[in-house]
Amino acid sequence: ETGVTQSPTHLIKTRGQQVTLRCSSQSGHNTVSWYQQALGQGPQFIFQYYREEENGRGNFPPRFSGLQFPNYSSELNVNALELDDSALYLCASSFSGTGLEYFGPGTRLLVL
Amino acid sequence: KQEVTQIPAALSVPEGENLVLNCSFTDSAIYNLQWFRQDPGKGLTSLLLIQSSQREQTSGRLNASLDKSSGRSTLYIAASQPGDSATYLCAVGNNNDMRFGAGTRLTVKP
Repeated sequence: ETGVTQSPTHLIKTRGQQVTLRCSSQSGHNTVSWYQQALGQGPQFIFQYYREEENGRGNFPPRFSGLQFPNYSSELNVNALELDDSALYLCASSFSGTGLEYFGPGTRLLVL
Repeated sequence: KQEVTQIPAALSVPEGENLVLNCSFTDSAIYNLQWFRQDPGKGLTSLLLIQSSQREQTSGRLNASLDKSSGRSTLYIAASQPGDSATYLCAVGNNNDMRFGAGTRLTVKP
């Protein structure tokens, strides 16, 4: 167990809807990253937050947005869901500068 | 743009065999390289982290090497066990993100 939790574990949405995924970081960690993992592929970096500010972003459209809260929990929001958004969404927390990320169990999103 | 490739995509071996998983990357300006294990439908478990200044790391039956100049890393698993069956992912880190390979799916047969 890494101490990183995510909710919900599974979610089903329809195309065009909006979704919010949540992550609780490991105690003491000030950085959180979000990844999208499609079936049979490696995780793709969405963005990272450090001290409540976005600190890097992968090749994802603006309808993917995030928040990090003062207690270092985090949210990933996806608007106007598309079928291709179906994936496992992983969050990872770390303490800035260590390079070691601890992953949560993921949220599996299915868009119909 | 950093590209990470893992070979082979899948590997099946009998129990007890030693094996090597390969990872290659295109940009040698990396911060670190990490090997992860992922069980079906689960999150990632970190196995070994190699900083850019290091050449290898060992943990139990696992040994990972890093050669930045050639853009390669290997994960060596000694005396494989059925419980080692999983997908193994390598990830190359820069300052604020990691680039993952697609993984090697390992099956160790009893």
